[in-house]
Amino acid sequence: DTAVSQTPKYLVTQMGNDKSIKCEQNLGHDTMYWYKQDSKKFLKIMFSYNNKELIINETVPNRFSPKSPDKAHLNLHINSLELGDSAVYFCASSLGLQGDYGYTFGSGTRLTVV
Amino acid sequence: LAKTTQPISMDSYEGQEVNITCSHNNIATNDYITWYQQFPSQGPRFIIQGYKTKVTNEVASLFIPADRKSSTLSLPRVSLSDTAVYYCLVGGMFSGGYNKLIFGAGTRLAVHP
Repeated sequence: DTAVSQTPKYLVTQMGNDKSIKCEQNLGHDTMYWYKQDSKKFLKIMFSYNNKELIINETVPNRFSPKSPDKAHLNLHINSLELGDSAVYFCASSLGLQGDYGYTFGSGTRLTVV
Repeated sequence: LAKTTQPISMDSYEGQEVNITCSHNNIATNDYITWYQQFPSQGPRFIIQGYKTKVTNEVASLFIPADRKSSTLSLPRVSLSDTAVYYCLVGGMFSGGYNKLIFGAGTRLAVHP
């Protein structure tokens, strides 16, 4: 059973389009995250939700809008996609606010904007 | 948030023990140390976590000196499948608030036959 699953795994789209990435975790964790890994392989946190409440919102363009319908899901919607949005996006979850027991990551969504 | 410094890359051979050291001079009292492993096209995977002294699990050992300004991840008898990027992170615990783990550049470990 996949603990943190993301869909789609690959996403190729044109500039200006709107797209969504979905994430679901079946671990019973109450905190979920979105990370972006760029071409230089740096992982940067974008958002974090705890029990459906936004708790971390890094300096991310407001074209990115996370949505958490329940604590097991955290989706990422991106409007007006730009070339610079091309990256691998990872969803993660942790037990509690502080990730004391580690984060569990999904396998990533490779977004390519052409 | 404490910054971490680790070697960019390391090479080893199958069957050897690999030690990757991470410096975190500004680690705070309530920070713990966590190591993750990332294979190509996969998300990072939690390996081990510790606060002080030594921690060992089925995968690795983590050595933390008394001053906690550094830590060493030890991988016993590596195999080709241990080729990956290893990240050292520090983060707060018992702080009563939320935490966000900050990933550095990591160490690219290449294991050769």
